[in-house]
Amino acid sequence: DAKTTQPPSMDCAEGRAANLPCNHSTISGNEYVYWYRQIHSQGPQYIIHGLKNNETNEMASLIITEDRKSSTLILPHATLRDTAVYYCIVSPEGGKLIFGQGTELSVKP
Amino acid sequence: ETGVTQSPTHLIKTRGQQVTLRCSSQSGHNTVSWYQQALGQGPQFIFQYYREEENGRGNFPPRFSGLQFPNYSSELNVNALELDDSALYLCASSYGALSSYNEQFFGPGTRLTVL
Repeated sequence: DAKTTQPPSMDCAEGRAANLPCNHSTISGNEYVYWYRQIHSQGPQYIIHGLKNNETNEMASLIITEDRKSSTLILPHATLRDTAVYYCIVSPEGGKLIFGQGTELSVKP
Repeated sequence: ETGVTQSPTHLIKTRGQQVTLRCSSQSGHNTVSWYQQALGQGPQFIFQYYREEENGRGNFPPRFSGLQFPNYSSELNVNALELDDSALYLCASSYGALSSYNEQFFGPGTRLTVL
C-alpha cells in the first residue's frame, strides 16, 4: 500500500504557481520523498526527490517539513502542458516505487 | 523522450494465452523494473531485474516472469492470461539496484487487452 496521501484533484490557473501537497506521516528516517508525474497516455516522468532539505531543479521545487511528515511540490509557473497526474512516493527500498492514486492537476487558461 | 522503448505498443490476447512484452533500457542503465497500471490506478510494481537477476518482486503470482539479457534489455512474460491482466505495462530503467535511490526512466508502455 502507498504510504502517502494526496488530494485526488486540483485546479491551477496558467502562469500561477501550483502547490501540490502530500502527507507521509509514517515516513522513516532513511526514506526519500519522490515526485513523478504522468501525462495522459505516457509513462511516468521523474520530477524531483529529497530527503530532508528543500530541493529545486529546472522543473520544480520540493518543500519538506521539518518533521518530514508532509511535503509540497511547487511548479512555479504552471503551463497547460503541466496538466497531469502527480504522484508523491515515499521510497522504502530505493528503486521500488509504490504509487498511490496521485493528484490530477488541471491547469486552466 | 527517455530513451526507453517498449514493444509492442498495443496487444490483444484471449484468456489462457501467453504474452511476451519487451523493453530496451536507456543506454548505460543496468536495471529494469516492470509495473502494471490498471485503468484509473497508479502503477503497481511487478519486479525488478538487476544485472540479469531478479532483484525484488511485488505482489504478483508466478505466472508473471521476466528475463534480463546481457545488453540489459528485458522481457516480461505472462502465462495463462486472465481478464484482470488487461492493463498498461510499463518498464523503467535506472542505474543501480533496489538499495540505491536513483531516478527511474519510464518507457511509453504496452497496452494489453485480454478478451
